Amino acid sequence: SQQGEEDPQALSIQEGENATMNCSYKTSINNLQWYRQNSGRGLVHLILIRSNEREKHSGRLRVTLDTSKKSSSLLITASRAADTASYFCATGGYGQNFVFGPGTRLSVLP
Amino acid sequence: KAGVTQTPRYLIKTRGQQVTLSCSPISGHRSVSWYQQTPGQGLQFLFEYFSETQRNKGNFPGRFSGRQFSNSRSEMNVSTLELGDSALYLCASSPYPGGEETQYFGPGTRLLVL
Repeated sequence: SQQGEEDPQALSIQEGENATMNCSYKTSINNLQWYRQNSGRGLVHLILIRSNEREKHSGRLRVTLDTSKKSSSLLITASRAADTASYFCATGGYGQNFVFGPGTRLSVLP
Repeated sequence: KAGVTQTPRYLIKTRGQQVTLSCSPISGHRSVSWYQQTPGQGLQFLFEYFSETQRNKGNFPGRFSGRQFSNSRSEMNVSTLELGDSALYLCASSPYPGGEETQYFGPGTRLLVL
């Protein structure tokens, strides 16, 4: 069964708006990562946040992690049409394989 | 550095056949993981290899197998193909094993079973 669960499953916004996606998980983790996938291609790594970190930034991306609530959020600011993709969170633990959530499909309309 | 490469990119097979997919990791990466992605089941972990040893295995039947060579290149094999094996197969490499570091994904091999 999937550990990470993204919410919402799909999101449509206008260019320039911010997009927020959430991820919940069930067990203890070492880190949580966000990936982007364009139309059935390979996954592109966006950001890794470790369990002892609360927030991380990379360009227009902001990721938060709340281990007490077992949840994370990905914020994309000033969205562009090129951000249209599926976004996945993946949880990693010591000696364990990564577990991916079902993903959020983001559509950024021009 | 060159990224993760996977061959072939596309493959069409018929039920009952077998298939071998190949993955070359980023230079210096010794961990290779394989995933199956389908619209219904999402991204599911198949197995991970590190230093030629299988470290973790997902919940897939024995028809799915893999191996890793001394140069860290990996292959996965699916025998007696079924229609449900149609999927995008992704491999990912990492410097270290387990779920502790970033995994870098290849473009995938899209397998269609007829």
